[in-house]
Amino acid sequence: QVQLQESGPGLVNPSETLSLTCSVSVGSIKGNYWSWIRQPPQKGLEWIGYIYYTGNANYNPSLKSRVTMSVDTSSNQFSLKLTSVTAADTAVYYCARLKDGYKNDYWGQGTLVIVSS
Amino acid sequence: DIQMTQSPSSLSASVGDRVTITCRASQDITNSLAWYQQKPGKAPRLLIYGASRLESGVPSRFSGSRSGTDHTLTISSLQPEDFATYYCQQYYSNLFTFGPGTKVDIK
Repeated sequence: QVQLQESGPGLVNPSETLSLTCSVSVGSIKGNYWSWIRQPPQKGLEWIGYIYYTGNANYNPSLKSRVTMSVDTSSNQFSLKLTSVTAADTAVYYCARLKDGYKNDYWGQGTLVIVSS
Repeated sequence: DIQMTQSPSSLSASVGDRVTITCRASQDITNSLAWYQQKPGKAPRLLIYGASRLESGVPSRFSGSRSGTDHTLTISSLQPEDFATYYCQQYYSNLFTFGPGTKVDIK
C-alpha cells in the first residue's frame, strides 16, 4: 500500500518560507494527484491544495498568493512552499494521495510546523 | 466558494447507539462528498466518498446518504473505536472545502 512521509523544518521564522516535502514509497507518484492539508492546533482541517504529477495544481484561494506546489517524479516526491508565514500558519501539515482526483485515501503521519522567532 | 457546515459540533453517545451527523453545503454539490474520521494525534481516515460509497476496509456500520444539499453520516451501532472527530469534505468544485468537524465522545 502507498506510504507517505512528510519532512521539513519544524520551526520557521515569521515572514520566512515554509518548505515541506512528501516522499512517496510503495507506489509511483506518476498517474496520481497529491494533496496538502493542514490542521492548526486544536482546530479543524484546512485544504491547502493539490497537484497532479504533471505539475498542474489547484490552491485554496485564501492561500493562493503564498503557496507553490511542485512534483519531482525522479525522486517520487512532491513539495509545498508557503511564503511570508505568520503564527497563523502554525499547524500539523499532512500530505495525502488524492485518488482519482477527489478522495484522499492514503495520508502521511503529519508534521508539526511552528512559526515563531 | 462552497461552504460546508456540520451539525452538531459535538455529541455524547454510548456504545451501541445510532449516531447521525449532518453536513450541509452552501450549494448543490451532487454526490461529491467524502467523510473522514480522525482520532487524536492521528491522520484522518477516509470512510465514505461519493456521498454513500464505503471505502475499502471500512466497517459496514458506517453509511452515508444525501438529501438535496444535506449529507448524512450514520454509525448504526457505535463501537468504542468510533469515538473520534468526523469531517465532511466537498469536491464538487476543484477548490475543496472541509466542514468544521463533529466530535463524538463517550457519554
